[in-house]
Order: sequence, then C-alpha cells, then structure tokens
Amino acid sequence: DTAVSQTPKYLVTQMGNDKSIKCEQNLGHDTMYWYKQDSKKFLKIMFSYNNKELIINETVPNRFSPKSPDKAHLNLHINSLELGDSAVYFCASSRPGSSGAEAFFGQGTRLTVV
Amino acid sequence: AQSVAQPEDQVNVAEGNPLTVKCTYSVSGNPYLFWYVQYPNRGLQFLLKYITGDNLVKGSYGFEAEFNKSQTSFHLKKPSALVSDSALYFCALRNSGNTPLVFGKGTRLSVIA
Repeated sequence: DTAVSQTPKYLVTQMGNDKSIKCEQNLGHDTMYWYKQDSKKFLKIMFSYNNKELIINETVPNRFSPKSPDKAHLNLHINSLELGDSAVYFCASSRPGSSGAEAFFGQGTRLTVV
Repeated sequence: AQSVAQPEDQVNVAEGNPLTVKCTYSVSGNPYLFWYVQYPNRGLQFLLKYITGDNLVKGSYGFEAEFNKSQTSFHLKKPSALVSDSALYFCALRNSGNTPLVFGKGTRLSVIA
C-alpha cells in the first residue's frame, strides 16, 4: 500500500495553462505539506496544512492554491503556469504535535512547462 | 532562524570503505534532526532521526548518524559502502511542533565498485 500517493507523476503543459496535482495519504496523519524541488535539487517548503487548515504559506505566488477537502487529501492547483514553475513537486505528511515525527513523502510530480 | 548545511556537494567512496556525509545545523532550542535518501526519479525515503537520548542513532540499510551538540553536527555514516548506496542524501531539521522540515541542499554520494 502506498502511504503518500501523488497524481500525475509527470505533467507537461504549455505556459498559461491551469493544472492540478493531487495528493492522498492513508497514514491517518493530520499534517500535510507541499515541497518544491528545483533543478538544483533544493527542497523548499511551499505550504503546510494541519487538519485541513493552512498553517504555513511561504512566499509562493498566489497562482498556487492548495486545497484540502479532507485530512487525507491536499491538492495543489496552479493557475497561469510559467516556465519557472517547472520543477518536481512533493507532497508529504506527518503526525501532528510531534516535533520528532518524520515526514513521509510521495514519489513526486515532475512538472514541465513549455 | 533555523538552517541546515551540507558542506559537500559530492562524496565519492570505494565500495567496502566507510562513508561519511556531513551535516551541520543552526537552531534556537532543541533540534530534531533527520536524514533522507533520494534515488533517481523517486521520492524521499526516511533513513533515521535524532530526537533525544543516545547520540548515536541507527537507521535503515545499515546507516547510522552521530549527534554532536557542541559541534552542532549530525553526520551520516556507514561502516561499509555499497554501490547501491549511490544516491542523493538530505539532512533535515525541525525545532518545534508542526513546522515543516527544513532541508540542506543535499549531498550526492557515489560508491564506486
């Protein structure tokens, strides 16, 4: 059973389009995250949700809008895609209230904007 | 502000030799430290973590890490490297509650047969 699953795995789209990436976790975690990994492999936090509520929103353009319909899902919608949005996006989850809890990551979605 | 530094972009080691991947951190308060591994076109896999207690932490695939508070370090080690250990390794830090993990820039480990 996949703990954190993302779809699609690969996404190629044209500039200006709107796209969504879905994430689901079956671990019963309350806290979910979106990370962006750029071409240099740097991992940067984008959003953090706890129990469907937005906790952290780093300096991400408002073209990026996360949506959490329930605790098990955290989707990422991106409007008006730009070339610089090309990256690998990772969803992750962890147990809440525990600083020592590791995060579990999905396999990533490689977004290519052309 | 909290931060993680991985001073080496690349580490090369011969198969069978011991390996070390370095990590230092900066945080106010108690650090919670993690190591992850990323294989090509894959997500991050958790290896081990330090929360409290014994400074030597053992994890998956024969890896271990040593927490050193005075040197603010958490180096990843393995006594005998395998070619299959070749991957990208990330050190990460959290200092409280539900805050997200903060990652270092990663170190690419290459084990040569």
